[in-house]
Amino acid sequence: TQLLEQSPQFLSIQEGENLTVYCNSSSVFSSLQWYRQEPGEGPVLLVTVVTGGEVKKLKRLTFQFGDARKDSSLHITAAQPGDTGLYLCAGGSTLGRLYFGRGTQLTVWP
Amino acid sequence: SQTIHQWPATLVQPVGSPLSLECTVEGTSNPNLYWYRQAAGRGLQLLFYSVGIGQISSEVPQNLSASRPQDRQFILSSKKLLLSDSGFYLCAWSVQLTWEQYFGPGTRLTVT
Repeated sequence: TQLLEQSPQFLSIQEGENLTVYCNSSSVFSSLQWYRQEPGEGPVLLVTVVTGGEVKKLKRLTFQFGDARKDSSLHITAAQPGDTGLYLCAGGSTLGRLYFGRGTQLTVWP
Repeated sequence: SQTIHQWPATLVQPVGSPLSLECTVEGTSNPNLYWYRQAAGRGLQLLFYSVGIGQISSEVPQNLSASRPQDRQFILSSKKLLLSDSGFYLCAWSVQLTWEQYFGPGTRLTVT
């Protein structure tokens, strides 16, 4: 059973477009994290959100934690080829234990 | 600053052979340590985690085992590999009582 569902699974867009990827669950999490992973490498942490309704911005990336702390979204403005990668969300319950979604594979074409 | 190392980077092993993957962390003390497996570039499956030396929790029953002989060393082992053990193995660490996990570069294991 997958606790966190990510959508879409695959996303292929042109440079300059905007996009949103989603991470949904029926469970409440104490924190929600987003990672980006490139082929053959380990995931790299982008952001942690812990408060329901929290919004964080990292340059062109905007992360939001749902009010009920069951879902999250990642919005990218004016996507660039360097944004290409696998985006993983992870929910934290017991401190130290994360549950990962299966990821959204984003490809941005120049 | 903290760094995490994994080796080897790639490994090709025949079915039935033993396995030993090593992970070490520098620049921090008493970290939580984790072993994950990732199949086909998708989500991460937690295999083992450790909150201290000799303390190992297993998430998935299988033919793999883990040990933590030193504070910043985490080892993943198997006595006899199966074809289904192929995958990308990732080690991660975190500061105790925090959420953020930091991953190593991974080991690509192919069982033939």
